[in-house]
Order: sequence, then C-alpha cells, then structure tokens
Amino acid sequence: KAGVTQTPRYLIKTRGQQVTLSCSPISGHRSVSWYQQTPGQGLQFLFEYFSETQRNKGNFPGRFSGRQFSNSRSEMNVSTLELGDSALYLCASSLRQGDNEQFFGPGTRLTVL
Amino acid sequence: GQSLEQPSEVTAVEGAIVQINCTYQTSGFYGLSWYQQHDGGAPTFLSYNGLDGLEETGRFSSFLSRSDSYGYLLLQELQMKDSASYFCAVNSGGGADGLTFGKGTHLIIQP
Repeated sequence: KAGVTQTPRYLIKTRGQQVTLSCSPISGHRSVSWYQQTPGQGLQFLFEYFSETQRNKGNFPGRFSGRQFSNSRSEMNVSTLELGDSALYLCASSLRQGDNEQFFGPGTRLTVL
Repeated sequence: GQSLEQPSEVTAVEGAIVQINCTYQTSGFYGLSWYQQHDGGAPTFLSYNGLDGLEETGRFSSFLSRSDSYGYLLLQELQMKDSASYFCAVNSGGGADGLTFGKGTHLIIQP
C-alpha cells in the first residue's frame, strides 16, 4: 500500500505570494490533518479534514486554509506569505477522524524569502 | 490551552535502556501517543496509551498515569538507528488542538 504523498517536496516563494500544497492520503484513509513544523515551535496542528469537511482547526491566522476532495486528497493554501511561514508542512492521514495513529507524508519544505 | 513538556535532549549508550518523560496539561484528554522522527524524515507512530499502565511493543514500551498527567517512552537494547527525535502527543478529543505535540526529545546514542 502506497504511503502518504505530498507535492511539491520543496518550494521557494517570496513575501506576499500565495502557495498551494497537495497531499494524497493512504488509500482508504478518509481523514487528513496538516501540521507546521519549525525548529522553534515544533509540530503545530493546522487543521483536520474528514469527508470533505474541516473538523478541527488550530490557532493559525485565516491566511491558512485548506480543503478536501471527494477522493480524500487534500490541499492547503497559504496566502500573503510571511517570512515566518518558512517551515516544513506535514500532512498526515488516518482511517477515521481523530485517530491516534496518523501516517505522515514526507512533507513540503517551504522557504519564504 | 495545551502544553506538553519533555526533555530537549537525552544521551544514552548503545545497548542500554533510556526513558523519555512527558508531562502534559490539557483541557481534554483521550490519550497519549508517541512518534519517532529521524532527521529529514517524517514522524512515524510508535505507540498509544488510552488507559493507565504499560503498553509494550518489542523494544519500545510506553506508560501512562492519567492522575499524574504523565507518561514515558522506554527504549530497551538501544541501537544506533534509534538516534532520532521522539515526540509525545495528546489527543484532546478535537476542537482547536487535534493532536498536540511536545517539542520533541533528541535522543543521541553513543557507541
């Protein structure tokens, strides 16, 4: 069974731009969560989608948004990029909403210049 | 809010046993999970404790005391490949927190 895939793996943007990251969960997994990982703040929860609906949202500004499609694939979007948005963005999938065992993708390394 | 405390770094010798502690303060609590992350890699699930007590999975064991808001991960027969960061994570049952992760413990294994 293929793992969680994320595209692109690396991205360089400039301040003010927007970016869209993509995540394909493990086949059969219906929940997708997104996390931001930085050296200073560690792993921080962004949001969780299940059955195309956002179920939970972390404490991030509205510039961070996401969506999930009927095939469970998910995208997250960050608008008006700031230098502090530079991070590793990880996507994790699980069978059910709120599952403790989540399967992480390799992440997208975003650098904002 | 949620907060989890774990040591930032632990050093141990190959073949030895090491314990990584995690204390938490959360508004809701359904269980404590542990994840391993190698440098440049993705976090991978190790174990979950929903009830008090010890869960054993091969060389790794995890313990939870809900009354003490405390858990630990125990790694036995340490191998060089165990050098990684280890994160505890609390499932608070949804809301704004999802899975809340600690800052991680960097485990250094010396030969």
